[in-house]
Amino acid sequence: KAGVTQTPRYLIKTRGQQVTLSCSPISGHRSVSWYQQTPGQGLQFLFEYFSETQRNKGNFPGRFSGRQFSNSRSEMNVSTLELGDSALYLCASQAYLDTGELFFGEGSRLTVL
Amino acid sequence: DQQVKQNSPSLSVQEGRISILNCDYTNSMFDYFLWYKKYPAEGPTFLISISSIKDKNEDGRFTVFLNKSAKHLSLHIVPSQPGDSAVYFCAASARGGADGLTFGKGTHLIIQP
Repeated sequence: KAGVTQTPRYLIKTRGQQVTLSCSPISGHRSVSWYQQTPGQGLQFLFEYFSETQRNKGNFPGRFSGRQFSNSRSEMNVSTLELGDSALYLCASQAYLDTGELFFGEGSRLTVL
Repeated sequence: DQQVKQNSPSLSVQEGRISILNCDYTNSMFDYFLWYKKYPAEGPTFLISISSIKDKNEDGRFTVFLNKSAKHLSLHIVPSQPGDSAVYFCAASARGGADGLTFGKGTHLIIQP
C-alpha cells in the first residue's frame, strides 16, 4: 500500500508570492490533516479535511487555506508569503476518525526568500 | 503558550537500558495522548496512544504512563535498541482525538552502543 505522498518535496518562493502544496492520502483514507513544522514552534496543526469538508482548523491566519477533492486528495495554499512561512509542511491521513493515529508524508520543505 | 511540553531536548541512553521520555501538558481538556517517532527526512510515525480513562498502555517494548493529576505522561522503552534513536514527539488532543493534535517540540533520543 502506498504511503502519503506530498508534492513538491522542496520549493523556494519569494515574499508576497503564493504557493500550493499537494497531498495524496493512503488509499481508503478519507481524512487529511496538515501540519506546519518549524524549529521554533515545532509541529502545529493547520486544518483537517474529511469528505471534502473542513472539520477542524488550527490557529493560523486566513492566508493559509486548504481544500479536499472527491478522491480525498488535498491541497493547501498559502497566499502573500512571509519569511516566517518557511517551514516543513506535513500532510497526514487517517483511516479512522478521531483516533489521532496519523500517517504522515515526508513533507514539503518551503523556503521563503 | 505551550500546552504540551517536552523539557528535555535530548536524551542519551545505553543500549539495553530503559529509556524514559517525559511530557507535561497544561490543558485539562486534553483526554487523548499519543507518542510519535521521527527519523531524519521522514514524516513522524505513530508509536502508541493512551486515553485519559487509562493510566497505562503497553505495546511490546513501549509503555506509556499517564498521571492525570500531575498532567504528566511518560514513554518507557525497554530494552532500548540502536534503531530507537530518533526524535520522539508527545501529542495531545481533546474530544477523544477529534481535535487536531497539539505536539510537544520533541526529544532527541540517542541510543549509545
